[in-house]
Amino acid sequence: NAGVTQTPKFRVLKTGQSMTLLCAQDMNHEYMYWYRQDPGMGLRLIHYSVGEGTTAKGEVPDGYNVSRLKKQNFLLGLESAAPSQTSVYFCASTRRTATNEKLFFGSGTQLSVL
Amino acid sequence: SQQGEEDPQALSIQEGENATMNCSYKTSINNLQWYRQNSGRGLVHLILIRSNEREKHSGRLRVTLDTSKKSSSLLITASRAADTASYFCATPPDTLFGNEKLTFGTGTRLTIIP
Repeated sequence: NAGVTQTPKFRVLKTGQSMTLLCAQDMNHEYMYWYRQDPGMGLRLIHYSVGEGTTAKGEVPDGYNVSRLKKQNFLLGLESAAPSQTSVYFCASTRRTATNEKLFFGSGTQLSVL
Repeated sequence: SQQGEEDPQALSIQEGENATMNCSYKTSINNLQWYRQNSGRGLVHLILIRSNEREKHSGRLRVTLDTSKKSSSLLITASRAADTASYFCATPPDTLFGNEKLTFGTGTRLTIIP
């Protein structure tokens, strides 16, 4: 059982380039999330999805887009990367809308934008 | 903005000692969760305490919750080198769909000295 898998694990971009981060979960979870983690800032929610075909903005959505075409996959896109988007990105998922559910996290993607 | 804030930011103790870290939050919650993050890895769920609970145990972990003070503490007893990690508290708001926006604090960096 793989849980939550993120690809790639590392990536270096030049300013203005685009890329897509893939998150896949095999637990049939409804909710999926993208967070970014920066030193001293904790985790901040970028976008999330409450089910296939749905997306919603989190705390820091600017500069990112997401798609949830399949229940098991949640894609995070950067259309024109900026140095401020240098960060570690984490995907997470949880089972349903119940308020007492824990999150399962992927191992992260280290992104550097030069 | 961060809902939960951990204190202290960093803590170093000798192996075998107990480690206590605290979390304060701002708004009413229906549960509070603690997560561990080992260096370079994703977060792993440790324990969840509901708003109607005051104390919960799991192995060497003891969590308390004081809703009147909007604070929680995580106690790790008989610490081991493997407990070296960052610890985060996370709180969903007190809504039906609270897990839509689970927010994390900035974490406590715990170092266990062998």
